[in-house]
Amino acid sequence: QSALTQPASVSGSPGQSITISCTGTSSDVGAYYLVSWYQQYPGKTPKVIIYEVTQRPSEVSNRFSGSKSGNTATLTISGLQAEDEADYYCCSYAGGTSVLFGGGTKLTVL
Amino acid sequence: QLQLQQSGPGLVKPSQTLSLTCAISGDSVSSNNAAWNWIRQSPSRGLEWLGRTYYRSKWFRDYALSVNGRITINPDTSKNQFSLQLTSLTPEDTAVYYCVRGPLYYLGTTTYYFDYWGQGTLVTVAS
Repeated sequence: QSALTQPASVSGSPGQSITISCTGTSSDVGAYYLVSWYQQYPGKTPKVIIYEVTQRPSEVSNRFSGSKSGNTATLTISGLQAEDEADYYCCSYAGGTSVLFGGGTKLTVL
Repeated sequence: QLQLQQSGPGLVKPSQTLSLTCAISGDSVSSNNAAWNWIRQSPSRGLEWLGRTYYRSKWFRDYALSVNGRITINPDTSKNQFSLQLTSLTPEDTAVYYCVRGPLYYLGTTTYYFDYWGQGTLVTVAS
């Protein structure tokens, strides 16, 4: 199975909102409500920021939100801050013993 | 606070076997609501889930098709840790390897996400 498709990079100015898409198929993103998103700073370990498409861990800012439509999941970051500059990865269960990650999106805060 | 502490070699020769261990503190490898995963990350392959083990009255193991046949994940209840063995290594297996916890259930149904990560071990396959 192929990795999920994410844009290689997105950018935005402080205070703006940005979205990062994660496109899969009807066998993974479209089939299950099991999409998660991870934030990773250079040289650091990934951190979960969204799970089950829309759920946010208590310690994660409410500026982060997730959604899904068909085979595409979307991460939205509102009120962009400099500290949001990082790599973001989506992940989806794909049935059986298959878990897929996206290729990652580098977010630049201008 | 849950912590995962990885140990193992950083350099392995081609065709040999990689062995990594992940010591758990703040949770139990036998927990009924946790799966213990190995995930790797490389520039060429990105993040790749390798497999997991979990306990639900007995031990279960799930492996990714990409490494099935080469991978073994085992729990060690006496030391509260779990391990990864990956055989027949090639340079393509060069990556940062993470041990990772994932909940088994959310609101009573099966879930898949990863909430606690080990510090990562850079494994280089080279002669």
